[in-house]
Parts: sequence; C-alpha cells; structure tokens
Amino acid sequence: GENVEQHPSTLSVQEGDSAVIKCTYSDSASNYFPWYKQELGKRPQLIIDIRSNVGEKKDQRIAVTLNKTAKHFSLHITETQPEDSAVYFCAVFSGNTPLVFGKGTRLSVIA
Amino acid sequence: DSGVTQTPKHLITATGQRVTLRCSPRSGDLSVYWYQQSLDQGLQFLIQYYNGEERAKGNILERFSAQQFPDLHSELNLSSLELGDSALYFCASSVSGGEGIQYFGAGTRLSVL
Repeated sequence: GENVEQHPSTLSVQEGDSAVIKCTYSDSASNYFPWYKQELGKRPQLIIDIRSNVGEKKDQRIAVTLNKTAKHFSLHITETQPEDSAVYFCAVFSGNTPLVFGKGTRLSVIA
Repeated sequence: DSGVTQTPKHLITATGQRVTLRCSPRSGDLSVYWYQQSLDQGLQFLIQYYNGEERAKGNILERFSAQQFPDLHSELNLSSLELGDSALYFCASSVSGGEGIQYFGAGTRLSVL
C-alpha cells in the first residue's frame, strides 16, 4: 500500500520567516495531495490541496508544490505568524484506499 | 464548524467497559471515516464506511467495531477498554468514497481510568 513520509517532525521558525514541510510517497498512481492543519485540541482542517495535473498551487501565504517524478510534495508558508503554530499533516490519495496521512510536523513560530 | 457532529465530546470510563461514539456526517456526504489520535501522535485510520457498507479497514482492533446506519450516521463501539485506548477519536466525512476533501468533526476525547 501507499507509504507517506513527512519531514521534519518538528520545526521552529522566527516570526516572519518561511517554513517548508516535505512529504514523500511511494505509489506513482497517487493523484490527490491535501494538507491539514491541526491546532492544539482542535480538529484537523484542510488548508490547501493539489491534484496530480498541477505542479503548484498558492493561497495567500500558503503554497504547495508537487514533483510527480520524484514523488514528493511540499508545503510552503511565507511570512509566518504566531497563529501558524500548529501540527501540519500531509495526506495522499491513490486509487481505492482512503487518504494516507503523514505523521505530522509540529510547527512553532517564535515571536 | 465543519458540519460533522460528534457526540459525546468527552467520555470518562473504566477499564473493561464498553462505550459508543456517534458521528453525523455533513449533509450529502456518503462516506464516514474513523481515526484514533493518541497524545502527540498522528491520525491512525481505523475504518471507513460508504453509504452503509464497510469500504476500508485500517488498524482497528478486534475489540472495536463500527457501523453506518441508513440515515448515514455512524457509531464506533469500543469494548473491553484498556488504559491504552485513551485517545481522541475523530470522525470525518466526504462526499465520495475515495478522492476528495475529508471534513473532520471536533472529536470525542476518551479517558479510560
């Protein structure tokens, strides 16, 4: 089955700096790649997603890039703010199985 | 608010007991997923139902079972509870059975004492 690896597991950045989280996957048939943000004690919420026919997608300070050849995709957060502090999960969909989630990255934005 | 409703929000029980967690999906969503999240852990997929039928199974223990009813709400039954079952249990729903956005409920926090 699909195997998703997410790095780093923890990330600390200064407010205003950029943060990058990377995920790799194993199934070349995978075609949908969402990112979820989970604040402390809250539910995971979708923040951005990308499909395999697109290489990059942006939404204000958040962007996701996809490299199908290398089978990896990354979340980029620019001009980080304290409210960006949370756990971020990548996920992959391939075929008939449900989304496979990465183990998460705990992002801390230091003011 | 995601539109996915989970009850109860908190549950405190003793080892050996049985509990039932309930989930109502968003209006129009046919798929329901159950996840377990232990402290500082990721989302462990347990089971998925689509339009009343079991669609996929993850790392669900034999002591756990689930079902989806004709009105599409779902219940997760946890029996012979152990201390290690203490966790946050999330339900999510989506329109289809595969690709697509999953919307998560607020979760049920289970404490087994």
